[in-house]
Amino acid sequence: QITLKESGPTLVKPTQTLTLTCTFSGFSLSTSGVGVGWIRQPPGKALEWLALIYWNDDKRYSPSLKSRLTITKDTSKNQVVLTMTNMDPVDTATYYCAHRDGDVVPAGWFDPWGQGTLVTVSS
Amino acid sequence: QSALTQPPSASGSPGQSVTISCTGTSSDVGGYNYVSWYQQHPGKAPKLMIYEVSKRPSGVPDRFSGSKSGNTASLTVSGLQAEDEADYYCSSYAGSTVVFGGGTKLTVL
Repeated sequence: QITLKESGPTLVKPTQTLTLTCTFSGFSLSTSGVGVGWIRQPPGKALEWLALIYWNDDKRYSPSLKSRLTITKDTSKNQVVLTMTNMDPVDTATYYCAHRDGDVVPAGWFDPWGQGTLVTVSS
Repeated sequence: QSALTQPPSASGSPGQSVTISCTGTSSDVGGYNYVSWYQQHPGKAPKLMIYEVSKRPSGVPDRFSGSKSGNTASLTVSGLQAEDEADYYCSSYAGSTVVFGGGTKLTVL
């Protein structure tokens, strides 16, 4: 059974850097074809894809946020970390991590998802 | 990279069928058979309902089906049930990136 859980601060100030950790079980990021992604959802709004990382350290970013995002993995700890710089109130959202499935990297789908963590950006 | 276009809302009575559309471009929906659909109940994480345009994961009722024609993908829910009331999001691979739709709120009347 695959499970993922997000952790990190619930409140950050404008201009600060957000660091979120996704801790997972049931799969290994050292296995060929495996990936983990981050997706966010502002309150009452739609899902927005942020970043992907694969077993071979292949990384993909949302073009609109690429300059602010960094995704890394720690295979030994079964963790994926997302950092987002220069946080702004518009970045207030629930941030989800999800297992990336599919036979052809980086195409695929997200299944399952973590429970999400709400991050509020406010001074 | 623009979001995929979905109708904001859809509705149907119990037992009826409803179809939700998801329109993209030849660079995403039309270019790849990697369209997926997610169901999200209030306060919950999204759940995969359809992948690779029309495949259903284990455990998803066969009342849910997916299809694609050109740059538009569709999710059909047949035999609507009260528990189908939720937000639905489409997503597509877009040639090294991923794009989501704006979401559709499905109401069971």
